Amino acid sequence: AQSVTQLDSHVSVSEGTPVLLRCNYSSSYSPSLFWYVQHPNKGLQLLLKYTSAATLVKGINGFEAEFKKSETSFHLTKPSAHMSDAAEYFCVVRGEYNFNKFYFGSGTKLNVKP
Amino acid sequence: KAGVTQTPRYLIKTRGQQVTLSCSPISGHRSVSWYQQTPGQGLQFLFEYFSETQRNKGNFPGRFSGRQFSNSRSEMNVSTLELGDSALYLCASSLVGTGAAEQFFGPGTRLTVL
Repeated sequence: AQSVTQLDSHVSVSEGTPVLLRCNYSSSYSPSLFWYVQHPNKGLQLLLKYTSAATLVKGINGFEAEFKKSETSFHLTKPSAHMSDAAEYFCVVRGEYNFNKFYFGSGTKLNVKP
Repeated sequence: KAGVTQTPRYLIKTRGQQVTLSCSPISGHRSVSWYQQTPGQGLQFLFEYFSETQRNKGNFPGRFSGRQFSNSRSEMNVSTLELGDSALYLCASSLVGTGAAEQFFGPGTRLTVL
């Protein structure tokens, strides 16, 4: 069965320092992977997606993620955190046999300290 | 293009009542999924509809039901409300037919059961 594991439930960084949110997935093939962000009391917004093209994917707001098949990882990074990045982040994998089903990680709450 | 819209945005009900939530997908999107989000359980998949047919279903009791209309708009219904049904209910639409297509989320309906 497919699954996504977000290794940290909470991450705290200082403004201006790098951000690393970790995600591992299980899949027997090269999956479609996504990162979403959710600000308080809002819906989810797509940050970026991996669809078997370039392994380094650039998204909105300076975020990027690298697909590493050998490590089954899709970690999200940003060189310099901004206060507005404080939110919850979800790593998502698309269904292997069912393209219309998406599997969500449990989320990582990012806190940015001034 | 207009995004995914959900109505109402906020609802307060009492135990035992029933509720209907509505979702209008992005124009041209025929797949609509529903999720329940709570602090304790995170994001949980309810069901997915395509062309008025339920194709995927999560592990929720029969009190949770949905439907999709010919214009792809979808509704979900919860009968005999319980306190534990208090949650943010998110709707997402996607373009079927492309394996890389992501889901686009609405702002959610915040349901409070008293």
